[in-house]
Amino acid sequence: AQSVAQPEDQVNVAEGNPLTVKCTYSVSGNPYLFWYVQYPNRGLQFLLKYITGDNLVKGSYGFEAEFNKSQTSFHLKKPSALVSDSALYFCAVRDGNNDMRFGAGTRLTVKP
Amino acid sequence: ETGVTQTPRHLVMGMTNKKSLKCEQHLGHNAMYWYKQSAKKPLELMFVYSLEERVENNSVPSRFSPECPNSSHLFLHLHTLQPEDSALYLCASSQDAGANTIYFGEGSWLTVV
Repeated sequence: AQSVAQPEDQVNVAEGNPLTVKCTYSVSGNPYLFWYVQYPNRGLQFLLKYITGDNLVKGSYGFEAEFNKSQTSFHLKKPSALVSDSALYFCAVRDGNNDMRFGAGTRLTVKP
Repeated sequence: ETGVTQTPRHLVMGMTNKKSLKCEQHLGHNAMYWYKQSAKKPLELMFVYSLEERVENNSVPSRFSPECPNSSHLFLHLHTLQPEDSALYLCASSQDAGANTIYFGEGSWLTVV
């Protein structure tokens, strides 16, 4: 069965600094990896996904994520954080035949 | 707009009430989902429908009863709920139940009193 872990409950960064939100996964086959963002009182919004191909995936709002097979990681990154990026971020994994499993979420706070 | 619309956005119900949550997707997808999001807990998959057939029921109590009359609509019927059922209920859809991206609605906030 697949699983995903987000080791940090909370990430704090200053506006303009780079940000990283960590995610590691475990699947039995080829992983399909996703990042979602949830703003207060809203549903989850799709940011980006890795299915195959280039290990660096670019997504919405300037976010990108790097697939690292040897480390079984899929960290979310952004070169310069904005205050408006403050939200709850979820990593998710599925292996093609199973349901999507979500991490517990990481709360990102970007301070001015 | 994500193409997945949920109503109502907020619902307060007593433990003896019967109510329903409604979800409609305008994306032409074949799979629909109900998830439960509680504070400080991972997202819980409740039900999966593919082409209007239930393909997964993750040990959800029978006081939650899903209904999928067609590929665009999904309901969650609620009956004799408990206060611990208070949560955000998220509907989602995807092209199929395989590797595709899942798109979520804005959620229905349920409070059981």
